[in-house]
Amino acid sequence: DTEVTQTPKHLVMGMTNKKSLKCEQHMGHRAMYWYKQKAKKPPELMFVYSYEKLSINESVPSRFSPECPNSSLLNLHLHALQPEDSALYLCASSHPYVGEVHNEQFFGPGTRLTVL
Amino acid sequence: RKEVEQDPGPFNVPEGATVAFNCTYSNSASQSFFWYRQDCRKEPKLLMSVYSSGNEDGRFTAQLNRASQYISLLIRDSKLSDSATYLCVVNRDSSASKIIFGSGTRLSIRP
Repeated sequence: DTEVTQTPKHLVMGMTNKKSLKCEQHMGHRAMYWYKQKAKKPPELMFVYSYEKLSINESVPSRFSPECPNSSLLNLHLHALQPEDSALYLCASSHPYVGEVHNEQFFGPGTRLTVL
Repeated sequence: RKEVEQDPGPFNVPEGATVAFNCTYSNSASQSFFWYRQDCRKEPKLLMSVYSSGNEDGRFTAQLNRASQYISLLIRDSKLSDSATYLCVVNRDSSASKIIFGSGTRLSIRP
């Protein structure tokens, strides 16, 4: 029943492949996020888009390239990944933070990525 | 010191028990506080936001103590379906919607 959808659910890729992860939300949110989560660890923030502009890059390697084509869509382009990049990649969305207004983030189901 | 600290557990309690989780945060400028739950191999789902006055949602009660930089979650009359990892989440930067997750507390409810 999540209103944030992600495709594909699973992805296996080689280190020389180029692939893309897709995320879509229909909640009218103007902030969207990519997180990486390794097993038994909490999610780690990768990128934040606010009003379709990249506002935070948490020193993510350039082999990960985000893109926000419009207010509902968020992509993560992958190229020349390493086996240690295997993880669950989560997309989330929220209203942008404004003062005291709580900006709860809502997560998609994630893409489970395996890099061989 | 981690920005958000939680007891990792696991907590293993019988059905019907009351269980409490604690969380401390280091940034006194933090403004937003949340509890999420995450089931195995699923995404985090918002359980509740935590307000200054405390808030209750059914069997769940959250409290915030800004002076001690401490957040708590109380689950009463626990159900088997409450078994999950509970994540304490705090915002770091008021201008950029950046949130920090605690490492999570695993809860297992036994029949």
